[in-house]
Amino acid sequence: NAGVTQTPKFQVLKTGQSMTLQCAQDMNHEYMSWYRQDPGMGLRLIHYSVGAGITDQGEVPNGYNVSRSTTEDFPLRLLSAAPSQTSVYFCASSYSGAGGGYNSPLHFGNGTRLTVT
Amino acid sequence: QKEVEQDPGPLSVPEGAIVSLNCTYSNSAFQYFMWYRQYSRKGPELLMYTYSSGNKEDGRFTAQVDKSSKYISLFIRDSQPSDSATYLCAMCPYNQGGKLIFGQGTELSVKP
Repeated sequence: NAGVTQTPKFQVLKTGQSMTLQCAQDMNHEYMSWYRQDPGMGLRLIHYSVGAGITDQGEVPNGYNVSRSTTEDFPLRLLSAAPSQTSVYFCASSYSGAGGGYNSPLHFGNGTRLTVT
Repeated sequence: QKEVEQDPGPLSVPEGAIVSLNCTYSNSAFQYFMWYRQYSRKGPELLMYTYSSGNKEDGRFTAQVDKSSKYISLFIRDSQPSDSATYLCAMCPYNQGGKLIFGQGTELSVKP
């Protein structure tokens, strides 16, 4: 039972490069989301999806694109990396986006550590 | 001002101590309150969940919510070295659990 799998674990980019952070879940969860975690800032929501074909912006969406063509996958794209995007990125999923608590807790991956130089 | 404020610590206590972790919030629409635990180099995992004012107990952990003061707490009794982790409070309005707002996280170290 893999849960939420994120690849790669580590990545170094130069300013202006593009890349895609991969996220896959095998729990048949409808809801998926991307967070970034920075020191002193906690976790901040970037984009989320309540099902295949449906995405929406979170708190800090600028500089990131997402798409959801299947239930299992929710990739995050950085079109032109900037040093301000240096962070740890977490993908999360849940059965639904309604409760967020014990009946539909968020399951997190182990993160992708991104450095932009 | 952030919607959710949490003392980042770090907090260091001896084994067996009672630990109190706290968050304040400003949005009165928040109805669901959670505590996540995050070990180093791992993703957060749900520890406690509550949606009403008062106390909820689960083993050595007690979650407390005071909606009138917009204040939530997590108490850990008989703390163990294995409790060493970062603890994040999280909350959301009714039926919007997918858009959790997290506190900054408190780093806890329990010394043997």
